[in-house]
Amino acid sequence: NAGVTQTPKFQVLKTGQSMTLQCAQDMNHNSMYWYRQDPGMGLRLIYYSASEGTTDKGEVPNGYNVSRLNKREFSLRLESAAPSQTSVYFCASVWGLAENTEAFFGQGTRLTVV
Amino acid sequence: AQSVTQLDSQVPVFEEAPVELRCNYSSSVSVYLFWYVQYPNQGLQLLLKYLSGSTLVKGINGFEAEFNKSQTSFHLRKPSVHISDTAEYFCAVRGYSGSARQLTFGSGTQLTVLP
Repeated sequence: NAGVTQTPKFQVLKTGQSMTLQCAQDMNHNSMYWYRQDPGMGLRLIYYSASEGTTDKGEVPNGYNVSRLNKREFSLRLESAAPSQTSVYFCASVWGLAENTEAFFGQGTRLTVV
Repeated sequence: AQSVTQLDSQVPVFEEAPVELRCNYSSSVSVYLFWYVQYPNQGLQLLLKYLSGSTLVKGINGFEAEFNKSQTSFHLRKPSVHISDTAEYFCAVRGYSGSARQLTFGSGTQLTVLP
């Protein structure tokens, strides 16, 4: 049981390049999230998907797009990378509400834009 | 909208001493409350959560937290810390409905346990 798997673990991009961060969960969770983590700022929500087929903007969506490909997979795309997008990106999934509302996190993707 | 404030960015403490990490939140709806821990170069893992009922919740590794609705606080405590507790700790809230179902995190508190 792998939980939440993110790929790649590390990436270096040049300014203006594009890339897609992949996230997959095998827990049959309904909701999935993408966060970025920057020193002193905690985790900030980029986009989330409450259920398959829906996506919503979070706190810092500019410069990103997402796709909820199916219930398992939720990808994050940077169309034209900028140095300000240098960060550690985490994907998380949640089964639902109430007692099953714990979030499970991937190991993170460390992205550097030069 | 909801927000989380962690009042201390860095907390150094000697081994076997007690520690309290402070968290305050604001929300227009009822929320679930969480504490997560992040060890270096790893993802986050759940320490404990408050859903309803008893305001004192116990988690893994000897941590506990108390929900105080009137003060909108959810402080994390441990009576005696170990070197292995050195990590970053995040308080988080998640609303019951609508856009408040976003999981919102505080800025984190780095706990450093000194020998």
